[in-house]
Amino acid sequence: GAGVSQSPSNKVTEKGKDVELRCDPISGHTALYWYRQSLGQGLEFLIYFQGNSAPDKSGLPSDRFSAERTGGSVSTLTIQRTQQEDSAVYLCASSLGAGGATQYFGPGTRLLVL
Amino acid sequence: KQEVTQIPAALSVPEGENLVLNCSFTDSAIYNLQWFRQDPGKGLTSLLLIQSSQREQTSGRLNASLDKSSGRSTLYIAASQPGDSATYLCAPGSSNTGKLIFGQGTTLQVKP
Repeated sequence: GAGVSQSPSNKVTEKGKDVELRCDPISGHTALYWYRQSLGQGLEFLIYFQGNSAPDKSGLPSDRFSAERTGGSVSTLTIQRTQQEDSAVYLCASSLGAGGATQYFGPGTRLLVL
Repeated sequence: KQEVTQIPAALSVPEGENLVLNCSFTDSAIYNLQWFRQDPGKGLTSLLLIQSSQREQTSGRLNASLDKSSGRSTLYIAASQPGDSATYLCAPGSSNTGKLIFGQGTTLQVKP
């Protein structure tokens, strides 16, 4: 079946602009995660959604970052007033449930803030 | 706060060698541990998932072990091939959410 998909695959934006990144998880997966991979920080957790529960936002680096998940499926990560340090690859993953389930990753969105 | 260390950071071996990648983590209260590979410019591919109650998992030429009490996991690759060249990432998962904390990875090059 189809894996996790993300769009766009690449995004170039100017400092100060807002960007939206999209994630389509594997059908039937209730858990969805966003991670960020940057040269200086490696791979770091951003936010987690599980069903109708309140999301775990503990990894979001600032209040410029927000995410939502509509209808328990598609998720959008929004970065407002982008800064150069936001440049990174943003990866989305989904799993059948939280805790012990394998996470499957999408190909990522490569964001470059000029 | 969970911290994950992977040793070595880079490894270059001739084809056919058996090799071991090491991962250590500071907080043993994990639910599971996943090993991934990442090819340049690509996303992550899950290799093995070990639950905290398990000691090891095998898939083909790959074997991963977990010693939760000592905070260690190893990934064993048998009879390495050039196609195994990639970065290998270790990621223990927290108990209730499953969020993963990643190491910096081991970049492997297998020379023909």
